[in-house]
Amino acid sequence: GAGVSQSPSNKVTEKGKDVELRCDPISGHTALYWYRQSLGQGLEFLIYFQGNSAPDKSGLPSDRFSAERTGGSVSTLTIQRTQQEDSAVYLCASSEGLAGTDTQYFGPGTRLTVL
Amino acid sequence: SQQGEEDPQALSIQEGENATMNCSYKTSINNLQWYRQNSGRGLVHLILIRSNEREKHSGRLRVTLDTSKKSSSLLITASRAADTASYFCAFAMNRDDKIIFGKGTRLHILP
Repeated sequence: GAGVSQSPSNKVTEKGKDVELRCDPISGHTALYWYRQSLGQGLEFLIYFQGNSAPDKSGLPSDRFSAERTGGSVSTLTIQRTQQEDSAVYLCASSEGLAGTDTQYFGPGTRLTVL
Repeated sequence: SQQGEEDPQALSIQEGENATMNCSYKTSINNLQWYRQNSGRGLVHLILIRSNEREKHSGRLRVTLDTSKKSSSLLITASRAADTASYFCAFAMNRDDKIIFGKGTRLHILP
């Protein structure tokens, strides 16, 4: 079956512009996560959606970052007024059930470059 | 910080040798997972070990978990060039908690 997909695969934008990154999780997966990975670094947790519960937004680095998950499926990560330090690969993952028990399936990521 | 710590940060070994990577964490956990990331982007799940398990095998992979020391190790036996990648441990404190990833070990297998 289809895995996690993300779009666009690459995004180049100018400082100050807003960007939207999209994630399509595996059908039926109740949990969805966004991570950020700078070059050569580990994964930085951003936000976690679990079913109909309120999302865990504790990893969002500033109020310029927001995410929503519509209908329990597709998710959009929005970065407003982008800064150069926002340049990174943004990874989305989904899991069938609870985050703490199930395997995460990752998408290929979106490479964001802010000029 | 809740983040896991892998060591070494980087490891180069000859093809055919065994590679061992370690992960330490600071809190009690529900389970611990290991992932691989080839140069590129997506991570691939390798193995999950539950907090009540001490050792688990999958092919050439062997994972151990010592909850008293809050540490785990990943052993790759008979390494191959295709094993060249970054390896991350990840864990959750509770069943419904978010997953925390370590900083990763970059493994390079020399021909």
